[in-house]
Amino acid sequence: NAGVTQTPKFQVLKTGQSMTLQCAQDMNHEYMSWYRQDPGMGLRLIHYSVGAGITDQGEVPNGYNVSRSTTEDFPLRLLSAAPSQTSVYFCASSYGGGADEQYFGPGTRLTVT
Amino acid sequence: KQEVTQIPAALSVPEGENLVLNCSFTDSAIYNLQWFRQDPGKGLTSLLLIQSSQREQTSGRLNASLDKSSGRSTLYIAASQPGDSATYLCAAPNTGFQKLVFGTGTRLLVSP
Repeated sequence: NAGVTQTPKFQVLKTGQSMTLQCAQDMNHEYMSWYRQDPGMGLRLIHYSVGAGITDQGEVPNGYNVSRSTTEDFPLRLLSAAPSQTSVYFCASSYGGGADEQYFGPGTRLTVT
Repeated sequence: KQEVTQIPAALSVPEGENLVLNCSFTDSAIYNLQWFRQDPGKGLTSLLLIQSSQREQTSGRLNASLDKSSGRSTLYIAASQPGDSATYLCAAPNTGFQKLVFGTGTRLLVSP
């Protein structure tokens, strides 16, 4: 099993550009989520999905969009990048939900100039 | 509302020492608690998941305990090694189970 994979590992964007962060898992997990990690603020939930076709907002969803067309993939789209979105982004998955053991991807380090 | 805190923010110990990392939470109706390790520039690696019905969980040199009444979990690392140097995070599900609530971590440095 590859577990949870994320691409790219690093990305630099200019303000206003858009991009998609990719996340995939091969564990047949129903629950997938996106977090951002910022110094002094810990990890904060952006969006999550409890299964294909179902997504919901976390605590910091503004400026991000998600979709879940398959069980395996959960891409995160930045609509119009802003410097405040400079962060490290982690994708996670679990079998049954937010209370099950979470498996994290290696992260994407994003810088917006 | 579940809140999780970790003190101290950083810890430095010599190799071979046994050590304890602390994690406090506010909601005693905790469902479970998960300990993670994060190496610099890397993702989070799950170390131990301890259910609310358990008091302890062990994996190799690691032992995690959970005391719901006091709102505390501890991660005990036996015979520490330089390779244990990393940031250790604890996390618990929020009330609705949509997400994990994380502490800000303890950065551990084990010196040879």
